[in-house]
Amino acid sequence: SSELTQDPAVSVALGQTVRITCQGDTLRTYYASWYQQKPGQAPVLVIYNKDNRPSGIPDRFSGSSSGNTASLTITGAQAEDEADYYCNSRDSSGHHLRVFGGGTRLTVL
Amino acid sequence: QVQLQESGPGLVRPSETLSLTCTVSGSSINTGYYWGWIRQPPGKGLEYIGSIYQSGSTYYNPSLKSRVTMSIDTSKNQFSLNLSSVTATDTAVYYCARDQVYYFDNWGQGTLVTVSS
Repeated sequence: SSELTQDPAVSVALGQTVRITCQGDTLRTYYASWYQQKPGQAPVLVIYNKDNRPSGIPDRFSGSSSGNTASLTITGAQAEDEADYYCNSRDSSGHHLRVFGGGTRLTVL
Repeated sequence: QVQLQESGPGLVRPSETLSLTCTVSGSSINTGYYWGWIRQPPGKGLEYIGSIYQSGSTYYNPSLKSRVTMSIDTSKNQFSLNLSSVTATDTAVYYCARDQVYYFDNWGQGTLVTVSS
């Protein structure tokens, strides 16, 4: 199966821009999706199919991809963006499996 | 808006089988989607368990495959997870979600299952 690697923790000053990355060979073939999870809550989809935002997700969230790396960018981070962020994609083994990254804890300073 | 709700025992004895059901509302379970299970041990990250299609076709995480069984009941708009021979390492919040193959767009609130005697 494939693996997705994320930095465990990232910090950003209030109002600044932060990029959270996800690396894995499967990302050369399949798009990444991104989820925000706040303490005690279920994950919420914030980006899908590389750079699409579900309804209700602020446009300060954006996604991109290059080679084996997918990125989630928050432009003008707000205090409420402090959360854990997980990437997710389809496994490249051909068995219809899904795989999650280990998660990145974002701190807004 | 699609809503999902997990239900099942919050406490399971070691070596027994964990059984959870996810009830889908706001959408028929027969509308061409996959339906998945994901878990999260306390303080840890998300782990994919598996998915089931409306036809009953299933895809399981290889690390859990020998112990996992999923089923779907279209008449009740529900799908279920069975995880056998549980140990303390299976203690987690279990989520059900609609699986769009490349992303999970709707999630249940999650249910904590503790494995303990």
